[in-house]
Amino acid sequence: GDSVTQMEGPVTLSEEAFLTINCTYTATGYPSLFWYVQYPGEGLQLLLKATKADDKGSNKGFEATYRKETTSFHLEKGSVQVSDSAVYFCALRDGGATNKLIFGTGTLLAVQP
Amino acid sequence: GAVVSQHPSWVICKSGTSVKIECRSLDFQATTMFWYRQFPKQSLMLMATSNEGSKATYEQGVEKDKFLINHASLTLSTLTVTSAHPEDSSFYICSAREGRGREGYTFGSGTRLTVV
Repeated sequence: GDSVTQMEGPVTLSEEAFLTINCTYTATGYPSLFWYVQYPGEGLQLLLKATKADDKGSNKGFEATYRKETTSFHLEKGSVQVSDSAVYFCALRDGGATNKLIFGTGTLLAVQP
Repeated sequence: GAVVSQHPSWVICKSGTSVKIECRSLDFQATTMFWYRQFPKQSLMLMATSNEGSKATYEQGVEKDKFLINHASLTLSTLTVTSAHPEDSSFYICSAREGRGREGYTFGSGTRLTVV
């Protein structure tokens, strides 16, 4: 079945460092891909998405490109801030009737001042 | 934007008792509700999908008699963990989708259940 694999955390960075969180997927067909972020005590929020190959999703300085050839959707940010500290989830939406989301394990990012 | 209120945020219960978790959509009608659970260092695993007024569809391996899902209205869905045991201790999250569109999943903030 469809699945998502993302790098384990925690990832600890200093403020203004470059961030990469790797995400790869296995799916039949052509899924849509998502990054969600969960701040402490809050629900998951959609960060960005891409619906087809070579699409680039971007939001709040974060970017991810849908790479069909490598089945990847790595999350990047050029300069992280303390306020980016959160758990980041990579997900795909299956093409079935329910359109359910399939998540990776989540990666905890801790940014230190 | 769309908000889903999930309560309680944490609960401790004794083994053998039942616990109810509520998710309410505050400013939209949740046609479909998804219930997930997450063990430490593991993915959010979908437990079941429910459409308002219909019986929930459970994922393989999820006991429908243990995890009772009710979605009687467009703004409220509940998950009841019946006869809870320590192995049911987990983080439970709901997600609501409005209408039949392919976008717009709104998540609750989750419930930490500890069974002692």
